[in-house]
Amino acid sequence: KQEVTQIPAALSVPEGENLVLNCSFTDSAIYNLQWFRQDPGKGLTSLLLIQSSQREQTSGRLNASLDKSSGRSTLYIAASQPGDSATYLCAVDTDKLIFGTGTRLQVFP
Amino acid sequence: GAVVSQHPSWVICKSGTSVKIECRSLDFQATTMFWYRQFPKQSLMLMATSNEGSKATYEQGVEKDKFLINHASLTLSTLTVTSAHPEDSSFYICSARGLPSINTGELFFGEGSRLTVL
Repeated sequence: KQEVTQIPAALSVPEGENLVLNCSFTDSAIYNLQWFRQDPGKGLTSLLLIQSSQREQTSGRLNASLDKSSGRSTLYIAASQPGDSATYLCAVDTDKLIFGTGTRLQVFP
Repeated sequence: GAVVSQHPSWVICKSGTSVKIECRSLDFQATTMFWYRQFPKQSLMLMATSNEGSKATYEQGVEKDKFLINHASLTLSTLTVTSAHPEDSSFYICSARGLPSINTGELFFGEGSRLTVL
């Protein structure tokens, strides 16, 4: 059974810091991995999708890497801003999307 | 493109009543739809997978007689919470996969529906 874990569970940092959020999964037989952002009480916003054959994807200040063999992905956020405060979820696709436990990020001015 | 809409966005009902939540793919045909449930401060838990025209496949621990899922067309799936109780109060989110993501496998998500059972 696929299990997806995210570390840390919560993170509070001052504005401007570079951040790394971690995601690990137990079964490497995945089609792709997605990172999402969720604001309190809201739905999901897709950030990045990495195919199983890819190593990384970039969008603006966000960079996500994937090491399928070790079952790990990282989301790197450069120059964090208060507007980045949200819960970040990774999810692995094995015909169905299994979500990680989430990282609650707070960036304070 | 690739918009998924849920309705209602929030609903309050009395214990014992049934509530229906709709999930629509507005601009594409969704061959597969997924229903998730999210309790406060927790992650999304997959409830069931539905393919158009066939019975839904439920995850372990999800009561299929309580959470009725219908995927009668390529643009609409419904989740009916039957005889709802306070412990069913949650945020329900649907997602869909179809032609726009046939190469990437990307899932498109609805905005979610918050159910509160009194």
